[in-house]
Amino acid sequence: EAQVTQNPRYLITVTGKKLTVTCSQNMNHEYMSWYRQDPGLGLRQIYYSMNVEVTDKGDVPEGYKVSRKEKRNFPLILESPSPNQTSLYFCASSSPLRGSGYEQYFGPGTRLTVT
Amino acid sequence: AQSVTQLGSHVSVSEGALVLLRCNYSSSVPPYLFWYVQYPNQGLQLLLKYTSAATLVKGINGFEAEFKKSETSFHLTKPSAHMSDAAEYFCAVRVYGGSQGNLIFGKGTKLSVKP
Repeated sequence: EAQVTQNPRYLITVTGKKLTVTCSQNMNHEYMSWYRQDPGLGLRQIYYSMNVEVTDKGDVPEGYKVSRKEKRNFPLILESPSPNQTSLYFCASSSPLRGSGYEQYFGPGTRLTVT
Repeated sequence: AQSVTQLGSHVSVSEGALVLLRCNYSSSVPPYLFWYVQYPNQGLQLLLKYTSAATLVKGINGFEAEFKKSETSFHLTKPSAHMSDAAEYFCAVRVYGGSQGNLIFGKGTKLSVKP
């Protein structure tokens, strides 16, 4: 089954404790992206990756890091989480090929609470 | 630059009534447009997409959207609402240029369906 998986689904942590949210896709997609979703603000892009070892900032990259060492994985790293990073996070992937229609496939989300 | 505006953060309809969720876009090139749905506690699921073929696009669950270039609109409709349609709906436009593959999302419209 084609899917994007994220782990963990729920996480409660304390300020300053480094954490990583994993994202993996099994569709051989080149493009992957991280979003955060906050009430009234919709989805805002954090980072994206066009391919292995190619990453770039989205609209709200401060406080986050990413890496893309393998095509299927795109982890999101919070080196020193703060309460304003409490949010719902989504990973997504897509194919850049014209025939794909550029549809993005989303993971189930990770709800992060930083106290 | 591309952008998306969704009119109305909350829409309430009665079961069996017409559903109309509004989306206007801004794009200097022919756009690729998407509607996604997010059911409570779930990720985003593609409802339908416009990729410059037919202007009336049919999606899943009885939804459809019409691309109107003159009005720069891509409104989502469904003739008869079901209780199960209660969800948040996001309109998105694909970005052209350096970050191809990126989508810009509207802030979302939460649909409530009254019995």
